[in-house]
Amino acid sequence: GIQVEQSPPDLILQEGANSTLRCNFSDSVNNLQWFHQNPWGQLINLFYIPSGTKQNGRLSATTVATERYSLLYISSSQTTDSGVYFCAVEGANYGGATNKLIFGTGTLLAVQP
Amino acid sequence: GAGVSQTPSNKVTEKGKYVELRCDPISGHTALYWYRQSLGQGPEFLIYFQGTGAADDSGLPNDRFFAVRPEGSVSTLKIQRTERGDSAVYLCASSLTGRLAGGEQFFGPGTRLTVL
Repeated sequence: GIQVEQSPPDLILQEGANSTLRCNFSDSVNNLQWFHQNPWGQLINLFYIPSGTKQNGRLSATTVATERYSLLYISSSQTTDSGVYFCAVEGANYGGATNKLIFGTGTLLAVQP
Repeated sequence: GAGVSQTPSNKVTEKGKYVELRCDPISGHTALYWYRQSLGQGPEFLIYFQGTGAADDSGLPNDRFFAVRPEGSVSTLKIQRTERGDSAVYLCASSLTGRLAGGEQFFGPGTRLTVL
C-alpha cells in the first residue's frame, strides 16, 4: 500500500520563528489533507490540497503531485501552534477513489514562548 | 449539526465486554469513516460507508468489530469480547461525498476506549 513519510519527526521553535514540514508519499494520490491535532486530540483541518498552493493566514501549503510531496509552511509561529501535524493521503485507484486516508507518523511541534 | 459528534467521549470497560461507539456526521454528508488511533501514531482506517452500505471494511482488524449505518446518517461501531489491545481513540469522520474523489474529511473529537 501507499507509504506516507513526514519530516522532521520533532521540532522545537521559539515563538515568532518560521518552519517547513514535509510529507512524502510513495504513489499517486487523489487527495491530500494536512491536519493539526491539538493537545486535546481533536484533528483540525488545515488544508485540502491534492495539488497546487493554498494559503490561510500564517499557514500555507504546496503539493507537487508529480513529485509526490507536500510542504506545510508555518510563519511567525505561536505557542498555540504546538501539537502534532499530520499529512494524510487518499491513494488513487485506477482513476477512482479509494476513500481511505493513509496518515503519516506526524511531526510533533513545540513552540516555546 | 455544526461538526461531527461522537459519544461517549470516554469509555472504560472490562476485558470480554461488549461496547458500542456512536458517530453523528455532519448533516448532509453521505460518506462516513471510522479510524482508530493508538498512542503516538497516526489514525488508521477501519471502515467506510457510502450511504447505508459499508463500501470498504478492509481495515476492521477481526470479526469482533462491526459497524452499521442503518439510515445513512448516524453510525455505530460495535466491538464484541473486548481485549486490552482494543484500547485506543476511535475517530469518526465524514465527507460530503465518497464517490469519484473522496472529498475532504472532517473528524469528530473521538471516543477514548480503555479496556481493563
